[in-house]
Amino acid sequence: GQSLEQPSEVTAVEGAIVQINCTYQTSGFYGLSWYQQHDGGAPTFLSYNALDGLEETGRFSSFLSRSDSYGYLLLQELQMKDSASYFCADDHNQAGTALIFGKGTTLSVSS
Amino acid sequence: DVKVTQSSRYLVKRTGEKVFLECVQDMDHENMFWYRQDPGLGLRLIYFSYDVKMKEKGDIPEGYSVSREKKERFSLILESASTNQTSMYLCASRGMPSYEQYFGPGTRLTVT
Repeated sequence: GQSLEQPSEVTAVEGAIVQINCTYQTSGFYGLSWYQQHDGGAPTFLSYNALDGLEETGRFSSFLSRSDSYGYLLLQELQMKDSASYFCADDHNQAGTALIFGKGTTLSVSS
Repeated sequence: DVKVTQSSRYLVKRTGEKVFLECVQDMDHENMFWYRQDPGLGLRLIYFSYDVKMKEKGDIPEGYSVSREKKERFSLILESASTNQTSMYLCASRGMPSYEQYFGPGTRLTVT
């Protein structure tokens, strides 16, 4: 079956760096997306990796290794507002349209 | 800015009722999706549509149906609501070739 595994919770302090890992077992893998969701809010898109390597967007970076079926989201210079749930998601549909989400990682940033 | 709107933020229905959840997007996106989100289970895909009148089952379609008569509107239908369908329902849209899905604010449905 299709599955993406990520840690359920991560805690860190302001200013620190945190890495949220995601391993996947899916057929027809197209790419790995990351979404952020604050409490009570809608998920919002952070990044997408179609190819192996690191994609950097400001304080956030995302990495993919297809050979290891593994990716991660790296958050640097953590701020309190980064406290949220983070989901990795796999573009798995043949048409490349549908996403399968991991169960999410709750990040708590303390001062 | 892409906007995805959902008809209700909160909805309370009784067991056995027929429930309609409406979703509208304003960016002419081809693809629309319905997910449900439950604590500890993440987002699970119910149905998606890649064109008007086209639909595909997701991972958990049982007990649900969908309708897409117009490109901008995607409806989720619970034919006979049950208590295990109490959940947060999220609609999303995506315009190809972009990878980004845009989510609506969600509808928290309670079935009593």
